[in-house]
Amino acid sequence: EAGVAQSPRYKIIEKRQSVAFWCNPISGHATLYWYQQILGQGPKLLIQFQNNGVVDDSQLPKDRFSAERLKGVDSTLKIQPAKLEDSAVYLCASSLENFNEQFFGPGTRLTVL
Amino acid sequence: AQSVTQPDIHITVSEGASLELRCNYSYGATPYLFWYVQSPGQGLQLLLKYFSGDTLVQGIKGFEAEFKRSQSSFNLRKPSVHWSDAAEYFCAVYGQNFVFGPGTRLSVLP
Repeated sequence: EAGVAQSPRYKIIEKRQSVAFWCNPISGHATLYWYQQILGQGPKLLIQFQNNGVVDDSQLPKDRFSAERLKGVDSTLKIQPAKLEDSAVYLCASSLENFNEQFFGPGTRLTVL
Repeated sequence: AQSVTQPDIHITVSEGASLELRCNYSYGATPYLFWYVQSPGQGLQLLLKYFSGDTLVQGIKGFEAEFKRSQSSFNLRKPSVHWSDAAEYFCAVYGQNFVFGPGTRLSVLP
């Protein structure tokens, strides 16, 4: 069984630029999560999808972050414009259903200069 | 609001010694509880989870955790640590949403 795929693995941008991350969850997993993990901290949930509907986006900075999950499969997380404090690893995870075991992708390491 | 604390930022143990990593949570009811491990260069992997029932849960790689409602704790234990257990360990809770603790970094001495 293929795991959660993310791309790119690394991205370096300058502040005020925009960036997008892509995630392909495990086939059949209804729930998809995006996390932000700042160096030395635990992952922080940004947004959770159930199929293509949003379950929780209470910690998503909506003035600059957006996410979508078209057709309930792949998902894209966008930052526009980026700030220095957005430098982090962005993790995507998926699970069969809500509350269940999450399978994490390798993450995208973003550096904002 | 729910929260998770892991009081120990960094723990060092000798190989073969026992291990206990602490986790405390704050939530109005009993949440779902998880322990994840993040090895260098590896993704986060679930070690074990507690939803209900027996308060002592067994996980992968010889780990176990005990839920204590009276202490709002979910401590992770292993009777004999292996060098390959060196990693970052995260406690997580699901109440209103998923919240991860700050993590405990485990170092293992040969």
